[in-house]
Amino acid sequence: QSVLTQPPSASGTPGQRVTISCSGSSSNIGSNTVNWYQQLPGTAPKLLIYSNNQRPSGVPDRFSGSKSGTSASLAISGLQSEDEADYYCAAWDDSLNGSWVFGGGTKLTVL
Amino acid sequence: QVQLVQSGAEVKKPGASVKVSCKASGYTFTGYYMHWVRQAPGQGLEWMGWINPNSGGTNYAQKFQGRVTMTRDTSISTAYMELSRLRSDDTAVYYCAREPALGVANYGMDVWGQGTTVTVSS
Repeated sequence: QSVLTQPPSASGTPGQRVTISCSGSSSNIGSNTVNWYQQLPGTAPKLLIYSNNQRPSGVPDRFSGSKSGTSASLAISGLQSEDEADYYCAAWDDSLNGSWVFGGGTKLTVL
Repeated sequence: QVQLVQSGAEVKKPGASVKVSCKASGYTFTGYYMHWVRQAPGQGLEWMGWINPNSGGTNYAQKFQGRVTMTRDTSISTAYMELSRLRSDDTAVYYCAREPALGVANYGMDVWGQGTTVTVSS
């Protein structure tokens, strides 16, 4: 059972816009910023969005992030076949001694 | 180029320990925290803890307290993660990942190792 809640799956056709949600609580998303990671099959995760809505160098602007209250979202516009991957949200959780917590992951299928 | 190269796959028996290494290159090793994250087969990501290579300070996830030890050797820019008293449910791919050590700002884990598969089986 992951601390952050994501839908297990999402899908879209090429060119479409899809969004993936991530729900948390006051101790994590509610008080800290959110990162998003993309994991292509058989590879290590890759940082996609940091600090709610910042893109690392090299990440296309088709990817965007937002946060409101205790929830966050990742949006992918102009969907491409190579976007088919697992997506994870993450946030620092202030409870106990503090820890990074992840969502359970969302498998994105490009139809 | 910036990269993290991890040690090879391990097979261990229940109750044993495993030590995974993560060699950094292409950047100043002491300027970035090193996190350890694991992924069980078919499952999501699980954070285990981090080490500050500059000070040696650590922060472990409560779940792993008492079983995990993170160390570093700055002379060879290498971080280590040792997990003891292994159980079958410790079977996973273990990743190291760096994060800029820039105070409280969140810059994410921006470079990841290739992963090390640890199999625990009798």
